[in-house]
Amino acid sequence: GIQVEQSPPDLILQEGANSTLRCNFSDSVNNLQWFHQNPWGQLINLFYIPSGTKQNGRLSATTVATERYSLLYISSSQTTDSGVYFCAVNGGEYGNKLVFGAGTILRVKS
Amino acid sequence: DAGVIQSPRHEVTEMGQEVTLRCKPISGHNSLFWYRQTMMRGLELLIYFNNNVPIDDSGMPEDRFSAKMPNASFSTLKIQPSEPRDSAVYFCASSHKGLAYNEQFFGPGTRLTVL
Repeated sequence: GIQVEQSPPDLILQEGANSTLRCNFSDSVNNLQWFHQNPWGQLINLFYIPSGTKQNGRLSATTVATERYSLLYISSSQTTDSGVYFCAVNGGEYGNKLVFGAGTILRVKS
Repeated sequence: DAGVIQSPRHEVTEMGQEVTLRCKPISGHNSLFWYRQTMMRGLELLIYFNNNVPIDDSGMPEDRFSAKMPNASFSTLKIQPSEPRDSAVYFCASSHKGLAYNEQFFGPGTRLTVL
């Protein structure tokens, strides 16, 4: 099946710093989503981005489908950004299910 | 708009007991998914439905697990009998299956502990 690799596995930032999280996937995809799992366990949708670039406040994402990777940018990080960031994909061959990466654990220190 | 609703939020039970988890998808969504999150295996799909019909149940770990979707606004995931290794967070998600727009939205999850 399709493989999803995220890097780095964990990251510690000082408040105000910027960061880039990466997601590599092994096959073409119809859907790619970024999620933030907060310390209470909720999965929050950040971006639905099978291709192109999107921005939402301090967060932006870019997916280069032809090269099979996606990047999530966090600028001016805040302590509330702490948690786990997941990339998840699905490809037509694999039906409608999302395959998740292992996540990047982010801790923002004040 | 209400998001995906799951109940209960927490469940503690003893080994051998039956457990039923419930999910109400977002109104108008026609695809529903059950995922499980564990430390060892991360987030993985158990089963999903399109228009109330199970499409892919290859992720259901064994016969002790069953899922139903009797109508467009309700689904259950049942474990009978439960075992300690079933302890996990179970998420329900829904989406509107169309040509391009199939972003999935997740409920708050049910944290299951089997003693």
